Amino acid sequence: DQQVKQNSPSLSVQEGRISILNCDYTNSMFDYFLWYKKYPAEGPTFLISISSIKDKNEDGRFTVFLNKSAKHLSLHIVPSQPGDSAVYFCAASARGSNYKLTFGKGTLLTVNP
Amino acid sequence: DSGVTQTPKHLITATGQRVTLRCSPRSGDLSVYWYQQSLDQGLQFLIQYYNGEERAKGNILERFSAQQFPDLHSELNLSSLELGDSALYFCASSVGVGSVAFFGQGTRLTVV
Repeated sequence: DQQVKQNSPSLSVQEGRISILNCDYTNSMFDYFLWYKKYPAEGPTFLISISSIKDKNEDGRFTVFLNKSAKHLSLHIVPSQPGDSAVYFCAASARGSNYKLTFGKGTLLTVNP
Repeated sequence: DSGVTQTPKHLITATGQRVTLRCSPRSGDLSVYWYQQSLDQGLQFLIQYYNGEERAKGNILERFSAQQFPDLHSELNLSSLELGDSALYFCASSVGVGSVAFFGQGTRLTVV
């Protein structure tokens, strides 16, 4: 049972345009959500997070939106840069499970120059 | 550099063998997590320690065990290895339970 789903295995966008990565979850107990970026042969790197008490969090070019009623979150990257090309993982955690992270399978983002 | 150090980076071993993966958390971090990433799979949570005590367990096989030592480094022991255990094993650490976790570069285990 996959509690965190990233339904798009890959996404390709042009440099300068917006990249939108989506994530759905099924466990209503999740109250903290994170996005990680992963380059080949490296560990995941923390990008941005959002608590369930918020619906938006912004950090530079990265914005995460949370829609609790739809159990959906998205990561917006504006403007997209070639260096953003990586696998993006959505993760969720719940206080009741000691905040262990449950990850989606990732979306490969390719930003074309 | 996340500050989390994992050794070795690569490991090739035969079926039936036992290996130990090591993780040094970021300075000051009390929580250590272990994750497994197999081909075409996301990151699967294995186990979590906080200040030396086990806090949460995921889909960790009985052939696998882990511990966190007084100096807060952690080891993941994998025994009776099977071909299907070939994967990337990541360690992550955080200041406390519920804080952002920072990942090491992983250990790539190949069982032949």
